[in-house]
Amino acid sequence: QQPVQSPQAVILREGEDAVINCSSSKALYSVHWYRQKHGEAPVFLMILLKGGEQKGHEKISASFNEKKQQSSLYLTASQLSYSGTYFCGTEIQGGKLIFGQGTELSVKP
Amino acid sequence: ETGVTQSPTHLIKTRGQQVTLRCSSQSGHNTVSWYQQALGQGPQFIFQYYREEENGRGNFPPRFSGLQFPNYSSELNVNALELDDSALYLCASSWFSRSNTEAFFGQGTRLTVV
Repeated sequence: QQPVQSPQAVILREGEDAVINCSSSKALYSVHWYRQKHGEAPVFLMILLKGGEQKGHEKISASFNEKKQQSSLYLTASQLSYSGTYFCGTEIQGGKLIFGQGTELSVKP
Repeated sequence: ETGVTQSPTHLIKTRGQQVTLRCSSQSGHNTVSWYQQALGQGPQFIFQYYREEENGRGNFPPRFSGLQFPNYSSELNVNALELDDSALYLCASSWFSRSNTEAFFGQGTRLTVV
């Protein structure tokens, strides 16, 4: 079952904040977040695990509510480089990911 | 850059033809997953290869097949191409030993079926 992301699109000015949500109808064991710029490969941002562990490579924060089967990605003090499409992915098993439909983020000067 | 390379970058094929896409995984990774990404959509899982065997498959017909080689590189083959197969095909390499590890994506192959 594909996770559902909201909003579908958001436009920000530089320095503004945004929250992207991801929810699933199935129990989540981990949530993966990726960002994809137009014409490029998806780039890993973060994994959130049951129990609160997080693994990430960028200064981006996120939360994972196991009971509600939801995750949220927090983008603070946005920069132009944050523009792109953000995908959450739920892990079925051993690295197999089911991705949401994406949230398109545009940061304007 | 992730170290995952795909070839070719773009491809145009005619309906009914067959196509082979290639992926070289990141050094040290033993697992390759393939995804199909239609325009404006999230990547959809096709299948995963681990130790040269298929290790899980998404909702794709048998005309989508793959191979993984001893050096962990991989191929995706699609037979009897249909117009709806037009998409960006992504491969992602990872380390299989446990779940919850990040996958590193290649740049993708843009396939157009006419």
